[in-house]
Amino acid sequence: NAGVTQTPKFRILKIGQSMTLQCTQDMNHNYMYWYRQDPGMGLKLIYYSVGAGITDKGEVPNGYNVSRSTTEDFPLRLELAAPSQTSVYFCASTGSDQPQHFGDGTRLSIL
Amino acid sequence: QKEVEQDPGPLSVPEGAIVSLNCTYSNSAFQYFMWYRQYSRKGPELLMYTYSSGNKEDGRFTAQVDKSSKYISLFIRDSQPSDSATYLCAMSYNTNAGKSTFGDGTTLTVKP
Repeated sequence: NAGVTQTPKFRILKIGQSMTLQCTQDMNHNYMYWYRQDPGMGLKLIYYSVGAGITDKGEVPNGYNVSRSTTEDFPLRLELAAPSQTSVYFCASTGSDQPQHFGDGTRLSIL
Repeated sequence: QKEVEQDPGPLSVPEGAIVSLNCTYSNSAFQYFMWYRQYSRKGPELLMYTYSSGNKEDGRFTAQVDKSSKYISLFIRDSQPSDSATYLCAMSYNTNAGKSTFGDGTTLTVKP
């Protein structure tokens, strides 16, 4: 099925470990986004990209890095995991003047 | 103060009820207004979006935007148990493809 695919679905990390959350879309969308959603809260924008090779910070970028080498992929990297980064992470994509399509999320716990 | 405030809920209604979900916002530059539905352990899915003020209807769902009051609403008629989910309002400045600011969500339960 066409859409936004996120892997892994669940992950437990130890404090200080690093990992990459993967996001890929097959709709040829230029815009891609990473959000985090804490329990009972809305979505907060971490990073976004308007096209391959172009990324920019969102509302809560500290502790994260991104890259966009292709139109399809937009991985999110955590370098030194901290308990405050326990959250559900959503990737989204959109084309010009279209609403955002979301993946089903990665549930990340840092202990 | 948050840019977007959403009625916190939770909201529990009997099947068939009319549901009203509401958000207020402080930034008059917002032009695009969206409502997303999020089922448990799933990503948000777009229900409706509107540009500027006015009403938009899609089946049992009606979205209203009042820019003069900085207030938006989503109405669900003849609510069904399958409507049980968290509803998120979202707003953006210059296109609905742009960065969006989300409300914290209202969890709705429709009881059979």
